[in-house]
Amino acid sequence: GAGVSQTPSNKVTEKGKYVELRCDPISGHTALYWYRQSLGQGPEFLIYFQGTGAADDSGLPNDRFFAVRPEGSVSTLKIQRTERGDSAVYLCASSRGQSGELFFGEGSRLTVL
Amino acid sequence: AQTVTQSQPEMSVQEAETVTLSCTYDTSESDYYLFWYKQPPSRQMILVIRQEAYKQQNATENRFSVNFQKAAKSFSLKISDSQLGDAAMYFCALKGGSNYKLTFGKGTLLTVNP
Repeated sequence: GAGVSQTPSNKVTEKGKYVELRCDPISGHTALYWYRQSLGQGPEFLIYFQGTGAADDSGLPNDRFFAVRPEGSVSTLKIQRTERGDSAVYLCASSRGQSGELFFGEGSRLTVL
Repeated sequence: AQTVTQSQPEMSVQEAETVTLSCTYDTSESDYYLFWYKQPPSRQMILVIRQEAYKQQNATENRFSVNFQKAAKSFSLKISDSQLGDAAMYFCALKGGSNYKLTFGKGTLLTVNP
């Protein structure tokens, strides 16, 4: 596709459930980022992939959060045992290398009841 | 550590007028980049303008320009001839030259009145 695609656009789940959020970056972009945007805040860094490997996962809040990018393209953010505090918009971005301009998707809004 | 502060939670402007959004930042890096992003209700962050810290000349993109004051660590965005489509959240962001992480401010909600 022409831009970064994220699915689902909206996800409502119950506390304790498992959730997967998908990001399809722009073709040819080797760098991929996940950010989390809580209500009334700016996005906060979660994890950065260069190719297939997570080059920096220092922003993941705890071990309930995990992300993969097995073939260096599509990435999945996985959240186990969701909590109400996980409710936020999860933004994905990709770039042509580490220093390239970031292109963002429209985000996945997660609501944990 | 990097910090970005936007002290104006909300701003409003009349259509066709000019508005300035404020941003201050702090970083220990000598080489860095500053950005303004626009986030409409669609949630997609759209790059409005970027400034390399080593460049003294202020960046401009059509109706959008910045006032980059390096010593004061200030990076304001000026929107001229405001249009209804400019209404959105605006985020100031900073990236260290040796880093890949963007640090965002809390944003300014811009309303454009017809």
